[in-house]
Amino acid sequence: AQKITQTQPGMFVQEKEAVTLDCTYDTSDPSYGLFWYKQPSSGEMIFLIYQGSYDQQNATEGRYSLNFQKARKSANLVISASQLGDSAMYFCAMRADYKLSFGAGTTVTVRA
Amino acid sequence: ETGVTQSPTHLIKTRGQQVTLRCSSQSGHNTVSWYQQALGQGPQFIFQYYREEENGRGNFPPRFSGLQFPNYSSELNVNALELDDSALYLCASSVAGSGYTEAFFGQGTRLTVV
Repeated sequence: AQKITQTQPGMFVQEKEAVTLDCTYDTSDPSYGLFWYKQPSSGEMIFLIYQGSYDQQNATEGRYSLNFQKARKSANLVISASQLGDSAMYFCAMRADYKLSFGAGTTVTVRA
Repeated sequence: ETGVTQSPTHLIKTRGQQVTLRCSSQSGHNTVSWYQQALGQGPQFIFQYYREEENGRGNFPPRFSGLQFPNYSSELNVNALELDDSALYLCASSVAGSGYTEAFFGQGTRLTVV
């Protein structure tokens, strides 16, 4: 069974600063993928970034980067230069086999 | 904005009734997955359809069922609705074998059971 843990229910960040969202996972499958999604109040799940279990380098997508530490089974998301539009719920997810397993999410509020 | 569309966006049903939710896939995507997201929680996998057949299921009772059509669109049916079925229902489309790296979600259907 796969398990995703996000221990930060909510975070506040000042505009233009960076924020790190924690994610740890547990799986016995040697091949898996890790994802981060953003969910604004409208409900749509927006894909942000992906890291494969065999990828040697940390993934980056614009202002998003994933700090992948395989031995520690962690996949933290770093959002640089936060913007007001970044205020949303953020979910870490893992794909093993055919499905995505999600964490409980972290609410990020960006302050002006 | 993704090419995945869900309908309706909101609906209210009475306990014991049946409901059908619909999802149109992103063009070129042949796999559809459905998720249930209760308020304040992360989405939970319900099932996945590929080539019109269910090929994976989460921990949901048989009253949750689905269909996939030749054009890869999909339906989620829930019978004998219970109050706990109130949630946001999300569908995601992808290409089989792509490892979900191209999984796109719709905007969801908010179901309220009263």
